[in-house]
Amino acid sequence: DTGVSQNPRHKITKRGQNVTFRCDPISEHNRLYWYRQTLGQGPEFLTYFQNEAQLEKSRLLSDRFSAERPKGSFSTLEIQRTEQGDSAMYLCAGSSGGARETQYFGPGTRLLVL
Amino acid sequence: AQTVTQSQPEMSVQEAETVTLSCTYDTSENNYYLFWYKQPPSRQMILVIRQEAYKQQNATENRFSVNFQKAAKSFSLKISDSQLGDTAMYFCAFMGGDMRFGAGTRLTVKP
Repeated sequence: DTGVSQNPRHKITKRGQNVTFRCDPISEHNRLYWYRQTLGQGPEFLTYFQNEAQLEKSRLLSDRFSAERPKGSFSTLEIQRTEQGDSAMYLCAGSSGGARETQYFGPGTRLLVL
Repeated sequence: AQTVTQSQPEMSVQEAETVTLSCTYDTSENNYYLFWYKQPPSRQMILVIRQEAYKQQNATENRFSVNFQKAAKSFSLKISDSQLGDTAMYFCAFMGGDMRFGAGTRLTVKP
């Protein structure tokens, strides 16, 4: 167990609805990352925070996606107007220290858009 | 752009035997980190082993070891004395600026 938790673990929604996921890293994790993983593929980077500041966003993160880490602790990832192509596992990971420290992953939130 | 290639989508090994998973990457950076992560079925991804590019010595963690060939940009994982609990997806990852993952190798350990 890495100590990183994510909720909900599973989410089924209808196309066009908004969904929000939460990630709770351990307190030592000053960096927090979001990834998307589709079936049979490795995780793809979406965005990351250092403390409360969002420092980088991937081109994969369309304007329907928004992420926050308001107090530098937990983070939320919201998808507005979901599309079937958003169906995937959404992973978060935390790390402490510098940019190249090991990332510790949460169990993920599996999203299915009908 | 950095890319990570795992050329073996699936592999199998008999329990107690040794298996090697391959990984190659492409980068122009000189200072980076490499990782192998394990993702068991329906469970979270956990770190198996990590290698700093500036270190010539290959990393080892119990039954897991790597063969890091910097010039060849190769980073293979050797699992010795395979156990049933080693059955999982294994992802090779490169960290320069951001983290890039390979597509994974599905390893099945057979009793």
